[in-house]
Amino acid sequence: DAMVIQNPRYQVTQFGKPVTLSCSQTLNHNVMYWYQQKSSQAPKLLFHYYDKDFNNEADTPDNFQSRRPNTSFCFLDIRSPGLGDAAMYLCATSLGQTSYEQYFGPGTRLTVT
Amino acid sequence: QQQVKQSPQSLIVQKGGISIINCAYENTAFDYFPWYQQFPGKGPALLIAIRPDVSEKKEGRFTISFNKSAKQFSLHIMDSQPGDSATYFCAARRGAQKLVFGQGTRLTINP
Repeated sequence: DAMVIQNPRYQVTQFGKPVTLSCSQTLNHNVMYWYQQKSSQAPKLLFHYYDKDFNNEADTPDNFQSRRPNTSFCFLDIRSPGLGDAAMYLCATSLGQTSYEQYFGPGTRLTVT
Repeated sequence: QQQVKQSPQSLIVQKGGISIINCAYENTAFDYFPWYQQFPGKGPALLIAIRPDVSEKKEGRFTISFNKSAKQFSLHIMDSQPGDSATYFCAARRGAQKLVFGQGTRLTINP
C-alpha cells in the first residue's frame, strides 16, 4: 500500500545530542511537510519542501533543519535538542502545493532526557 | 484572521448518539475545510473535507455542515461508536497556503 512511513517510531535522545528523524513516502508526492505536535495541541508546521524547494516557517527555531535528498525521503535534524523539543514529529505529504489533501505518517515520538 | 476556533474542547457522547463538533473562522479566503481524526500515538488521518460552494457533505456516518454566511462549519457523527473515540481537528486552508488547525476536540463515546 502507498503510504507515509516514519522511522523510528520512538526516539530517545539526550539534551544537546543531535538527532535525525526520517520520513519516506511511496505516494510519489511532490510536497513533504514536517509538523511538531505537543500533547493535547494541534500540529504545528515547521517547514515543507515543494520538490527541492525548501520553505521554512517564520517561527521555526534554527535548531531545526531538514534535508530532502530525493522525492521519496525527507529528514528532520534537531541540532541541539532541548527539553522543550520533546514532542510527536509528524511527516505529511501532498501531491502538489495546490493539492488540498495532506496524508500524515504515524509520527515519531521524541523524548529528550 | 488566520485562526480557526474549535469547540468543545472535550465531548462525551453515549453510544448510538450524535456527536457534534463546531469550528468558526474569520478569513473568508479559506477555500478548503478538512476534518482530521487522530487516535492516541498515531498521525492525523483525513476524515472528510468540504469546499465552500457546498453546504453539506456526507460520507457514511460523518457529515460536514458548512454555513458560509456565518463562517462556521461542523462535523456530525451519527450513531457514534466507541471506536470513534479520538481527537478531532478541523482545519482550513487557502490555496497553497498552510493548513490552519483548530485546537482539537477529544471525543469519548461511552458504551
